[in-house]
Amino acid sequence: KNEVEQSPQNLTAQEGEFITINCSYSVGISALHWLQQHPGGGIVSLFMLSSGKKKHGRLIATINIQEKHSSLHITASHPRDSAVYICADPMNYGGSQGNLIFGKGTKLSVKP
Amino acid sequence: EPEVTQTPSHQVTQMGQEVILRCVPISNHLYFYWYRQILGQKVEFLVSFYNNEISEKSEIFDDQFSVERPDGSNFTLKIRSTKLEDSAMYFCASSGPRVQPQHFGDGTRLSIL
Repeated sequence: KNEVEQSPQNLTAQEGEFITINCSYSVGISALHWLQQHPGGGIVSLFMLSSGKKKHGRLIATINIQEKHSSLHITASHPRDSAVYICADPMNYGGSQGNLIFGKGTKLSVKP
Repeated sequence: EPEVTQTPSHQVTQMGQEVILRCVPISNHLYFYWYRQILGQKVEFLVSFYNNEISEKSEIFDDQFSVERPDGSNFTLKIRSTKLEDSAMYFCASSGPRVQPQHFGDGTRLSIL
C-alpha cells in the first residue's frame, strides 16, 4: 500500500525565511506531485517531478528516487506563501496519469 | 489560461436525496478525476475516467456513486442517496494526453443535512 508522509504538519516562519517541507513515499513512482491548497480550498499544481530538481520562481522541488524522498523549498518566504502544501504520489502508472495518493499536507504560515 | 470549472460552489442537500456535481474539464484533456476532502482531512481519490469509462475507483466509490461524461464537455459525479458522511469538498481534476500535472477545479462544498 502506498503511503505518503509529510513533515512538518505545521510550520510558522517569519517573512524572508527559507522554508523546507519534506515528503516521503513508500512505493516507487512515475512522478511526484507538489500542490498548493489555498485557504479558500482551491488546489493548484506546483510541480511534477520524477528526478533531480525543478525551480519555479522562489519555489524549488527536489527528489531522491533511491531514498523515496522529496523536498519543497521556498526561498525568501512571503505572507502570500501562506497555504497548505501537499505532496501526492500516483497510485500507479498504467495507461493513465496515475490516481493521486495525497499526504496530509503542511500548513505554512508566514508572518510579516 | 484554461481552467477546470466546477458548479455549484456550495450544495446543501437533505440526507437521502440525490445530488449531481458538475465539472467542465479543460477542453483538450483526456483524463478526468474526482477527489474528495472531508473537513480537516487529506484529499482522497474517488475515481478516474478515460475514454468514456471508469479506469480506476477507490473503496469510497461504492454503488451510490456514478460518473458520466454526457456531452463531451461536462463530467459529472452523482451520489444517489446521500449520507451525512458524504459531506465534504469534492474536487474535479483533468490532465492531458501525456504525463502532465493534473489541473484542479475550485471544488464543490457538499453539505448533507
